[in-house]
Amino acid sequence: QSALTQPASVSGSPGQSITISCTGTSSDVGGYDTVSWYQQHPGKAPKLIIYEVTNRPSGVSSRFSASKSGNTASLTISGLQPEDDADYYCNSYTSTSSVVFGGGTKLTVL
Amino acid sequence: EVQLLESGGGLLQPGGSLRLSCAASGFTFSTYAMSWVRQAPGKGLEWVSTISGSGGSTYYADSVKGRFTISRDKSKNMLDLQMNSLRAEDTAVYYCAKHYYMAVNHPSFEYWGQGTLVTVSS
Repeated sequence: QSALTQPASVSGSPGQSITISCTGTSSDVGGYDTVSWYQQHPGKAPKLIIYEVTNRPSGVSSRFSASKSGNTASLTISGLQPEDDADYYCNSYTSTSSVVFGGGTKLTVL
Repeated sequence: EVQLLESGGGLLQPGGSLRLSCAASGFTFSTYAMSWVRQAPGKGLEWVSTISGSGGSTYYADSVKGRFTISRDKSKNMLDLQMNSLRAEDTAVYYCAKHYYMAVNHPSFEYWGQGTLVTVSS
């Protein structure tokens, strides 16, 4: 199972909005509404910020939103803040009963 | 409060075996699917294995299939990963994770442990 495709890096200034894409196939992203997104700061465990494509867990800022179209899921962070500077990963269930992650995107808040 | 605490990591030679454990608390352990996810130094996240709440269904990444075995003990609220025939490419921080839902086919990992480092090197 190949990793989902994410841009290696994105950047934005405080207050701006950015979007991170996560592209798979009809056997994973496109075939199931199970895309999740995680935020990871250096040396820390990942944190779930979006589950089942669009849902935010309790306590996650409303500045994080997500969507899916076809085989591509997207995470949008609005009103960028310095603490958003982190790595972001998507994942999805697959048709082979496995789980696949994206390669990760490093977000730099300028 | 949900807590996941991994243990068992260490340094070992290629071909060796190691058993990782994850002590779970703060939720009904037998209800939720659990997974192991690893992260090689400086690399991204890689799913390793998932087990259903009952323990009756298990799933593995192709990279570990036949070498790793996931199991759970509901009497002890423990999740284990037995790793055999270890290779240098298995070097990583291993995290245990609780699924948001009970189902194995919803891999939203709601809670993560702090991770335990496994280093395979001669």
